[in-house]
Amino acid sequence: DSGVTQTPKHLITATGQRVTLRCSPRSGDLSVYWYQQSLDQGLQFLIQYYNGEERAKGNILERFSAQQFPDLHSELNLSSLELGDSALYFCASSVLAGGGVDEQFFGPGTRLTVL
Amino acid sequence: AQSVTQLGSHVSVSEGALVLLRCNYSSSVPPYLFWYVQYPNQGLQLLLKYTSAATLVKGINGFEAEFKKSETSFHLTKPSAHMSDAAEYFCAVSALSGNTPLVFGKGTRLSVIA
Repeated sequence: DSGVTQTPKHLITATGQRVTLRCSPRSGDLSVYWYQQSLDQGLQFLIQYYNGEERAKGNILERFSAQQFPDLHSELNLSSLELGDSALYFCASSVLAGGGVDEQFFGPGTRLTVL
Repeated sequence: AQSVTQLGSHVSVSEGALVLLRCNYSSSVPPYLFWYVQYPNQGLQLLLKYTSAATLVKGINGFEAEFKKSETSFHLTKPSAHMSDAAEYFCAVSALSGNTPLVFGKGTRLSVIA
């Protein structure tokens, strides 16, 4: 158990809908990262927040957005869902702002299925 | 820019045999390198990491990896495979600066045959 929690574990929805994925980092960790894992794209970094502020941005679609709240939990919002958004979404957390020495701990993921 | 190439999307070994999973990286700055393991229906777990100290890095579960700058490689090895090693393995690269997230390879699925 990494100490990172994600809810829900599974999510099934229809095209065009909007969903929210939630992540609670390990106690004491200030950074939260979101990743998307799909069969064709592999594991891709989406976005990072550090202590409430956006820190780094990866291949995140404009239909997706995220935020980190004062209690440091984070939410990833996916809207106007398409079939291709079906994937496993991971959250990770780390103590610092990132970089090689800052180990990331991964949650169990949320499996999103868009029908 | 940084990138990682994992050679072989699927590797199959017999129980007790050597495990060798290959990873080559590309980085314009000195890299930090990682191997993660993902068991079915679970998140990623850090196996080991190279952070510019010793070039031979020992990790959990008997795995180790050697950083070879001249070959831009960071291959993962284990002398004797166990059935419980069957999983997906990901190589990743990062850099020292704070705004460089992990860049993952496509992953290698390891099967262990009894």
